[in-house]
Amino acid sequence: QKEVEQNSGPLSVPEGAIASLNCTYSDRVSQSFFWYRQYSGKSPELIMSIYSNGDKEDGRFTAQLNKASQYVSLLIRDSQPSDSATYLCAVSDNYGQNFVFGPGTRLSVLP
Amino acid sequence: GAVVSQHPSRVICKSGTSVKIECRSLDFQATTMFWYRQFPKQSLMLMATSNEGSKATYEQGVEKDKFLINHASLTLSTLTVTSAHPEDSSFYICSLTSGGNNEQFFGPGTRLTVL
Repeated sequence: QKEVEQNSGPLSVPEGAIASLNCTYSDRVSQSFFWYRQYSGKSPELIMSIYSNGDKEDGRFTAQLNKASQYVSLLIRDSQPSDSATYLCAVSDNYGQNFVFGPGTRLSVLP
Repeated sequence: GAVVSQHPSRVICKSGTSVKIECRSLDFQATTMFWYRQFPKQSLMLMATSNEGSKATYEQGVEKDKFLINHASLTLSTLTVTSAHPEDSSFYICSLTSGGNNEQFFGPGTRLTVL
């Protein structure tokens, strides 16, 4: 059974710090990796996608992928209180099928 | 990314009634849409994959006769919760993939409360 694991948190960081969110997955054939942000009572919002090993940067967000270790992470630089949310890691195969979400990590950025 | 709408955003109904939730793709023709359910403080649970013009594919443990899915056009999928009971109270969210990069985009969700 395909699994995606994340620490449930809460992860608390002070404002301005770097928040580091981690995710591991079990299915080696996974090819597409995503990070979603979900505010309380709202639906998930896509913030990053990554498909090849290495780093991908978009503004304050950096996604890191290591397929050999089956590990994907999200770094949030200069964390703001508005970043406080649950962050969901998701993986799928090369055809967008078998989309699996992790349980999410709750991030709290303290002012 | 794709723009997805859902209606209604919130519904309260009595036990035993049926509730229909609409999911619309506003800027993309979606042959496939997905329906998720999320209970408080839990992660998303995929209920079914909705295929335009054919029967939906349900995940294990999801009753297809209770959760009726119709995907009659490339921009509309509906989920009907039949004979709803309090344990069906949840946040129902649809999504679709657009383009060739496998990204899923979500609707705003429908919060169902069954009294």
